[in-house]
Amino acid sequence: AQSVTQLDSQVPVFEEAPVELRCNYSSSVSVYLFWYVQYPNQGLQLLLKYLSGSTLVKGINGFEAEFNKSQTSFHLRKPSVHISDTAEYFCAVRVGGGNKLTFGTGTQLKVEL
Amino acid sequence: EAGVAQSPRYKIIEKRQSVAFWCNPISGHATLYWYQQILGQGPKLLIQFQNNGVVDDSQLPKDRFSAERLKGVDSTLKIQPAKLEDSAVYLCASSPVVFSDTQYFGPGTRLTVL
Repeated sequence: AQSVTQLDSQVPVFEEAPVELRCNYSSSVSVYLFWYVQYPNQGLQLLLKYLSGSTLVKGINGFEAEFNKSQTSFHLRKPSVHISDTAEYFCAVRVGGGNKLTFGTGTQLKVEL
Repeated sequence: EAGVAQSPRYKIIEKRQSVAFWCNPISGHATLYWYQQILGQGPKLLIQFQNNGVVDDSQLPKDRFSAERLKGVDSTLKIQPAKLEDSAVYLCASSPVVFSDTQYFGPGTRLTVL
């Protein structure tokens, strides 16, 4: 069965600084990878997804992620964060041919002035 | 385009009581999902519908949880009787087709069981 590990439960960062949120997955078959963002008291919103092709994926709000098959990672990055990026970020995996999303435990990004 | 609607947004009940949550997916979306998100954890899929049929309910505690989507549109998730460990946010999501790459989430219902 597939699983997702988000090692950092909280990441504090100053505004305009770069940030990286880490995600590692385990699966013996091909996977599709996703990052979702959850703002306070709201549902999850898709930031970006990797299905195939280029390993560098660009998403909304200036975020990007890189699929690294050898390291089984899909880290999320942003070169310069804004206060409005404060939210919880979830990495998720779907095994190729399956229909179930498996989510990580989430990383709380807190952007400070 | 209207998003996924859920009600109520908040619910507080005593243990052993019953509770029901309602979800109206995006118009035309065939697939509907219910997730349970316990504090500090990621969402966990409870049940997935394709139109009004169940695709996956392997993680639904069927002794106390039930869900239906009778007309293939809106859906109801019920807990009877509730336990303390059922305190969580219940998220509904929908997607156009069963293997869609994007799920659209509602705002969730926060359930507190006392």
